[in-house]
Amino acid sequence: DIEMTQSPSTLSASVGDRVIITCRASQSISSWLAWYQQKPGKPPKLLIYEASSLESGVPLRFSGSGSGTEFTFTINSLQPEDSANYYCQQYDTVPSTFGQGTKLQIK
Amino acid sequence: EVQLLESGGGLVQPGGSLTLSCEASKLTFSTYAMSWVRQAPGKGLQWVSIINPSGDTTYYADSVKGRFTLSRDNSTNTLFLQMNSLRAGDTGVYYCAGDQGYFDYWGQGTLVTVSS
Repeated sequence: DIEMTQSPSTLSASVGDRVIITCRASQSISSWLAWYQQKPGKPPKLLIYEASSLESGVPLRFSGSGSGTEFTFTINSLQPEDSANYYCQQYDTVPSTFGQGTKLQIK
Repeated sequence: EVQLLESGGGLVQPGGSLTLSCEASKLTFSTYAMSWVRQAPGKGLQWVSIINPSGDTTYYADSVKGRFTLSRDNSTNTLFLQMNSLRAGDTGVYYCAGDQGYFDYWGQGTLVTVSS
């Protein structure tokens, strides 16, 4: 199975900050990577697919980049409602696997 | 708006069985691969199983292979997950999801608790 290593595990930032989360795959996954946001008691919400494509309706302050084994997820101008858990997911190979998650807290 | 509605969760003893259902609306269900993704309490996401649009191909996580069976009824837009020989480690919220590789549609989830 492809292992996805996400960092940091927790992150605290202020409104207006830029936040970066990284995800590393144990082998190349081309651009077959997605990012999700999950708030307590809710299902995950797709934000980014194919490493850098923004899902319809998702604010432009969210972006993704990378290919191969190294990926980044960026939130520009952090907003209070961005407090959540964030997960990366590879879908290059079955079984699809997720990173362990990043808990983002707003200071 | 696409809706996925899971049902069938509950409390079951170790070794017991449950069948989860997921009814889709406003989704071209018969053209969509579907998956189940689960989340143990306070933990991350784990993919469980996928079924292709026609229902003739399925894949399973190693942790559930041989115990879980995924099927679908395209005439009623419903997905089923038959879970047998349940273990404590199967406890969690089970989400059905539209699968394009990435998961673009999610249900609200149904809680499965395996405990004596």
